Amino acid sequence: EPEVTQTPSHQVTQMGQEVILRCVPISNHLYFYWYRQILGQKVEFLVSFYNNEISEKSEIFDDQFSVERPDGSNFTLKIRSTKLEDSAMYFCASSEVLGQTNTEAFFGQGTRLTVV
Amino acid sequence: GDSVTQMEGPVTLSEEAFLTINCTYTATGYPSLFWYVQYPGEGLQLLLKATKADDKGSNKGFEATYRKETTSFHLEKGSVQVSDSAVYFCALNPGGGSYIPTFGRGTSLIVHP
Repeated sequence: EPEVTQTPSHQVTQMGQEVILRCVPISNHLYFYWYRQILGQKVEFLVSFYNNEISEKSEIFDDQFSVERPDGSNFTLKIRSTKLEDSAMYFCASSEVLGQTNTEAFFGQGTRLTVV
Repeated sequence: GDSVTQMEGPVTLSEEAFLTINCTYTATGYPSLFWYVQYPGEGLQLLLKATKADDKGSNKGFEATYRKETTSFHLEKGSVQVSDSAVYFCALNPGGGSYIPTFGRGTSLIVHP
């Protein structure tokens, strides 16, 4: 069964450093997403990406964040200068689009980012 | 905007008890509705879905019915097992040109032997 894969599973970084979280969405999906979940809290939307550009983003997704689809398979989230409060589980997801709606989002296993 | 409200957890049950986790939604269009499950230390897995009113999603003994009149999508299981212990998230896809899945806060379920 096709799945979304994320690497690494766990990343520890020092405050102020740049990190890149990587995702390989399901190959025939057109919408890609990043969500985050601070420990024990809700799953929060960060950004969606369609047709090689950001389609929507939340207020969390400020200038520190960027996304990129550098080739035909990878989808990355970059945090330029990490802060302690960026520590969270980051989920990548992808979905198909059928007509006026999209199908369910399929999620990766997540990358646990720890900023120290 | 669109939103999902779930009952507060944790829900603590004994094995073989009946489970209900309430979920209600607010949406301007005709959303699709989902339940995701997150087992300890793992990612989000789709548990079941319903794409239109009166649809019933089911999987692994869990069921939820899309009730447009009450804007609800309550999750039920007749007999829970210890292995069902997890966090359950209700979510919606707004549809109608909006493609951002929106999640509830999650409800933790703890099942004791």
